[in-house]
This record gives sequence, structure tokens and C-alpha cells, in this order.
Amino acid sequence: NAGVTQTPKFQVLKTGQSMTLQCAQDMNHNSMYWYRQDPGMGLRLIYYSASEGTTDKGEVPNGYNVSRLNKREFSLRLESAAPSQTSVYFCASSVQLYEQYFGPGTRLTVT
Amino acid sequence: AQTVTQSQPEMSVQEAETVTLSCTYDTSESDYYLFWYKQPPSRQMILVIRQEAYKQQNATENRFSVNFQKAAKSFSLKISDSQLGDAAMYFCAYRSARYGGSQGNLIFGKGTKLSVKP
Repeated sequence: NAGVTQTPKFQVLKTGQSMTLQCAQDMNHNSMYWYRQDPGMGLRLIYYSASEGTTDKGEVPNGYNVSRLNKREFSLRLESAAPSQTSVYFCASSVQLYEQYFGPGTRLTVT
Repeated sequence: AQTVTQSQPEMSVQEAETVTLSCTYDTSESDYYLFWYKQPPSRQMILVIRQEAYKQQNATENRFSVNFQKAAKSFSLKISDSQLGDAAMYFCAYRSARYGGSQGNLIFGKGTKLSVKP
């Protein structure tokens, strides 16, 4: 069991470039999440998908879009990257009210 | 809106000793879940322990236990017989027991960095 996987692990972008972060889980979880982690800020929710076919905004959605491709996959897209989006991004999944399981994270730097 | 506060940015403990990390939260709900996550230098977020608010008994997982004080809205983590591998960031998190919309999402504190001295 791989759990939650994320690609890529590291990425450097120039301001204005776009990219998609990929996330997949093999635990048959209904819900999936994208967080960002900044120094001294803890984890903040960007978007979530309560179930296949639905997505909703979290605390910090501006500048991002998401796609719940199927039950396993949930991608995060930066259409025009900005230096303020430099962060570590985590994908997570869960079965409704139970604990969330996290991927290994993607360290993104925007110059 | 719910908030989670970890008032200790950094803590230090001697190997084999016991340390307690503090967490307080604010909510108007009566049913919810509380979690402690560990984040070692590898960045992987690892679930340490979970507590259901409706349970009076404090959760325990091997060397990890919690002191859950519902009236005081306090949820501290005690690590006994500390090991070098316990060195990490520890995050306290809250989750509503209602499911729908954003209510099922985790709300994190800002973390406590734990160092373990040999």
C-alpha cells in the first residue's frame, strides 16, 4: 500500500508559469484535501473534495484551482505562479470523520 | 469559527524523560475530534493520537497519551520515556464531528518544535 502519493517532490517555477501538483491515494477514501504549510503558520486548507465529483474552497483558495479526476486522484493547479505561493504543499485523504492521511509533500519555490 | 492554539513554539526534553505539549482550542460545538500529528524533518505528517470529544477516557498509544479537559478546552500530549526519534514538530488539530461543507476539515495549530537531548 502506497497510501497517499504526490508528484513532484520539488519544483522551482518562475513568476507567471503554471504547473499542476498531482495527488493519488489507494485507500479508497472519499475525501481529499490540499494544504499549504508556511513557516510559523501551520497547515492551511486550500481546497477540499468531500467526495468524487465535488470540490470546495478552503481557507486560502486564491490563485489555485483543483480537479477531482476520480476517486483516487485530486490535482492542484497554479495558473500563474507568484512568489507568495512559495510553500510546501500537502495532499491528504480521509474516510469522512476519521483522521486524515498525508502525502510526503511538495516543496515549491517561485522566483 | 474554531481556533487551535499551541502556546509553546519550542520545547526540549532529555532522552528517557517525560514532556508535555500544550494545546487549547475554541469551539461552540459539543461533538468533535482532536488529533496530534508529528512532523519529523522528513516533512511527512504522521498521526500520533486521536481523541473523540464524547469519550471521557483519555486516549493512549504506547508512550503517547493525552490529557483531555473538555470544559477547559485543553488537549495536551504527554510523551513518556522520550526517544531521539521523537524529535519533530508536533501539531494539534481539531475537526468537527458534523460532516458537510467545510465542517469536516482539520484546523491546525501552529506547532511545537520538540528537541530531544541525548
